[in-house]
Amino acid sequence: NAGVTQTPKFQVLKTGQSMTLQCAQDMNHEYMSWYRQDPGMGLRLIHYSVGAGITDQGEVPNGYNVSRSTTEDFPLRLLSAAPSQTSVYFCASSSGQVNQPQHFGDGTRLSIL
Amino acid sequence: TQLLEQSPQFLSIQEGENLTVYCNSSSVFSSLQWYRQEPGEGPVLLVTVVTGGEVKKLKRLTFQFGDARKDSSLHITAAQPGDTGLYLCAAPGIDGGSEKLVFGKGTKLTVNP
Repeated sequence: NAGVTQTPKFQVLKTGQSMTLQCAQDMNHEYMSWYRQDPGMGLRLIHYSVGAGITDQGEVPNGYNVSRSTTEDFPLRLLSAAPSQTSVYFCASSSGQVNQPQHFGDGTRLSIL
Repeated sequence: TQLLEQSPQFLSIQEGENLTVYCNSSSVFSSLQWYRQEPGEGPVLLVTVVTGGEVKKLKRLTFQFGDARKDSSLHITAAQPGDTGLYLCAAPGIDGGSEKLVFGKGTKLTVNP
């Protein structure tokens, strides 16, 4: 029962470095999303995808890129890390059917120094 | 941008007490979901409410969707330490479906033994 798997669980970067957060799901879900969670701010949508080859911006997309080459994978790239991107990042997937739940991974805790 | 306002932001109670948390908005929603998030994990769906005035029960948790579908409440009877967590409400965005959920900032509940 893997569900949504995120790697790494923890990461420390220096300002200006780049990295990719990995997300994979084994439920054959069409929809996948990336959120960031900051204290007092709740979950904010970064980017989302409604199927392979299709991505779109969410509420806070600046500084992040995504791609969806397969149904299973939805990596999130930080091109040039900034301290403001210190956060906990969650990937989620859903079937896309009305009122179905989003299934979340356990998150990646990212610190930018 | 539609907002989901959750209250209270923090709640600390003793085991056995009852409590109610709220999720309010000025927008009408087609549906609303409640998630619970435990430390170090991603949110997990508790319930989806769809019909105005709907009441759903999940053991000691009672969820209600307002008649006008602008608000919702979660009532916990005889709270237990295992109920401790962050409770989040979420609803589809105005211009999107389940791929673009909007989350409230959450109510952090602590139930002390």
